[in-house]
Amino acid sequence: GQNIDQPTEMTATEGAIVQINCTYQTSGFNGLFWYQQHAGEAPTFLSYNVLDGLEEKGRFSSFLSRSKGYSYLLLKELQMKDSASYLCAVSSNAGNNRKLIWGLGTSLAVNP
Amino acid sequence: DTEVTQTPKHLVMGMTNKKSLKCEQHMGHRAMYWYKQKAKKPPELMFVYSYEKLSINESVPSRFSPECPNSSLLNLHLHALQPEDSALYLCASSSRSTGAQNTEAFFGQGTRLTVV
Repeated sequence: GQNIDQPTEMTATEGAIVQINCTYQTSGFNGLFWYQQHAGEAPTFLSYNVLDGLEEKGRFSSFLSRSKGYSYLLLKELQMKDSASYLCAVSSNAGNNRKLIWGLGTSLAVNP
Repeated sequence: DTEVTQTPKHLVMGMTNKKSLKCEQHMGHRAMYWYKQKAKKPPELMFVYSYEKLSINESVPSRFSPECPNSSLLNLHLHALQPEDSALYLCASSSRSTGAQNTEAFFGQGTRLTVV
């Protein structure tokens, strides 16, 4: 079956670094996405990894290990506005179509 | 223009009403999606249109009827909904739904639907 696991909740302090992990078991792997979603708003794209390694984009970095079925999102210099839900989603080929398989999201609270 | 625009932002409808949700994008994306999202849950895929043809229907009840009039527009027609259908309905688009990789999905701001 298809399965994505990520922690339900995390807390961190303003200015610190936090790492949100995601493990997955899917067929037809075609890349992994991280999205940020503030309460009541739509998800916004953060990163996409399809090859092993680290992708850095400003304060956010994302890592992928395909052999381990593992990814993490690293947030540096945390700000209060980073309090949100972070969703891991795997792009999975289903026949001739690709669709996203979503994790349940990690709710991050950044405290002063 | 890197936006997906959804209207209305909020909708309250009775169980006997017929209403439509609209979605528009002008990024030239050829794949468009409808998702349903309940509070504190991830988005659930409902429908995928690829090149204006319905390519995925995730066993959605027939009271939800999608329509893709052209490559920029996507509608979701609603009829005889139930209170449990109340949710945030999200439209998304991406450059491809098949083949090569990196189909970054852009989401609209959603329609908050309440069925009474």
